[in-house]
Amino acid sequence: DAEITQSPRHKITETGRQVTLACHQTWNHNNMFWYRQDLGHGLRLIHYSYGVQDTNKGEVSDGYSVSRSNTEDLPLTLESAASSQTSVYFCASSVAGDGTDTQYFGPGTRLTVL
Amino acid sequence: KQEVTQIPAALSVPEGENLVLNCSFTDSAIYNLQWFRQDPGKGLTSLLLIQSSQREQTSGRLNASLDKSSGRSTLYIAASQPGDSATYLCAASNSGYSTLTFGKGTMLLVSP
Repeated sequence: DAEITQSPRHKITETGRQVTLACHQTWNHNNMFWYRQDLGHGLRLIHYSYGVQDTNKGEVSDGYSVSRSNTEDLPLTLESAASSQTSVYFCASSVAGDGTDTQYFGPGTRLTVL
Repeated sequence: KQEVTQIPAALSVPEGENLVLNCSFTDSAIYNLQWFRQDPGKGLTSLLLIQSSQREQTSGRLNASLDKSSGRSTLYIAASQPGDSATYLCAASNSGYSTLTFGKGTMLLVSP
C-alpha cells in the first residue's frame, strides 16, 4: 500500500547541531509539506514543495531548509538546532495543486533540542 | 492573514450523544475547508473536505457544514462512541495551491 513515512520517529540533539528529518511518500504526489505542532500554537507550516526543484517558505521557515531532488522525498534540515525548535514535526503530501485534494500526513517525528 | 479558531478546546460527553464541533475562520474567501482527526501520538487523518461551492459533506456518522458568509464550519458527530475520542482539527485553504491554516483543535472524550 502507498504510504508516507518519517524518520526518525524520535530524535534528541544538542543546541547548534545540524539535524535532518526524512519524509518519504510512495503515492507519487506532487505536493509535499512540513508542519510543526506545538501546544498552544497548533500546526504551523514550515516549508512546502509543489514538485521537483520547487520549494517555498511557510509561516515559520526561519532556521529550516528543504530541498526536493525527487518526487518521493522532502527532507527537512535544521541548520543549527535551537531549543525553540523542540517540537513534533509532521510531513504531508497531496496529489494536485488545485486545492481540491486532501493532505495525507505521516506519523510525525518528535524532536528534542537540549 | 487567515485565522482559524475552534471552540470548545475540549469536550467530554457520554456515549450515544450527538455533538457539534465548531470552527470559525476570518477570511471568507476560502477555497476549501477540511476536518481532520488526530489520535494521541499519531498523525492526522482526513475526515471530510468541503469545497467552497458546497454547503456540506457527509461520511457515515459525520456531517460537516460550511457557511462562508458567516465564516463558520461545524462538524456534527451522531451517536458518539468511545472510539470517537480524539482531537479534531479544522483547516482552511485560501487558494488553489493546497496550503492550509489550522485551528488548534477540539479534544473530544466520549465516555462509555
